[in-house]
Amino acid sequence: GAGVSQSPRYKVAKRGQDVALRCDPISGHVSLFWYQQALGQGPEFLTYFQNEAQLDKSGLPSDRFFAERPEGSVSTLKIQRTQQEDSAVYLCASSLAETEKETQYFGPGTRLLVL
Amino acid sequence: GQNIDQPTEMTATEGAIVQINCTYQTSGFNGLFWYQQHAGEAPTFLSYNVLDGLEEKGRFSSFLSRSKGYSYLLLKELQMKDSASYLCAVRDTGGFKTIFGAGTRLFVKA
Repeated sequence: GAGVSQSPRYKVAKRGQDVALRCDPISGHVSLFWYQQALGQGPEFLTYFQNEAQLDKSGLPSDRFFAERPEGSVSTLKIQRTQQEDSAVYLCASSLAETEKETQYFGPGTRLLVL
Repeated sequence: GQNIDQPTEMTATEGAIVQINCTYQTSGFNGLFWYQQHAGEAPTFLSYNVLDGLEEKGRFSSFLSRSKGYSYLLLKELQMKDSASYLCAVRDTGGFKTIFGAGTRLFVKA
């Protein structure tokens, strides 16, 4: 079956522009995570959804970042008024259930460059 | 605070064994994961430990000591394709937040 997909794969934005990043999780996966990965670093947790409920958004760096998953499947991460420090790879991951040991399956990421 | 430490880089020879260490200091603990990440690609799951001891899966094994806040990933019979970054990650209690280390870049040479 298909894995986690993300679009676009690459995005170049001018400082101040708004961007929207899409994640299509594996069908039937309850849990969905967003991470930000800077070059040479590990992924940093941004937010977590269980179905359509956003249960943890403690990792969102500012109120310019907003995520939604209105129907419990596809999710969108929106960044308003992008800044250069937002340049990173944004990874989406999904897992089948809501138990802690469930493996997360990662998408290929969206590489965002803010000029 | 939350802190996960791993060596930045390691080099090993094809066919050899390599051990990648990870120490963690987190406010809670609900399991430790190891992921492999090739350059420009998504992380892929390797192992999960929640109890002390060794978990073996083919050429890969992972060990956990909760009292010491320590884990290692052991890779046997190294192959060139094992050249990648290896990420140690700890799941926090009370939720699903997962904290990743910066990763260890492993170079396998012929």
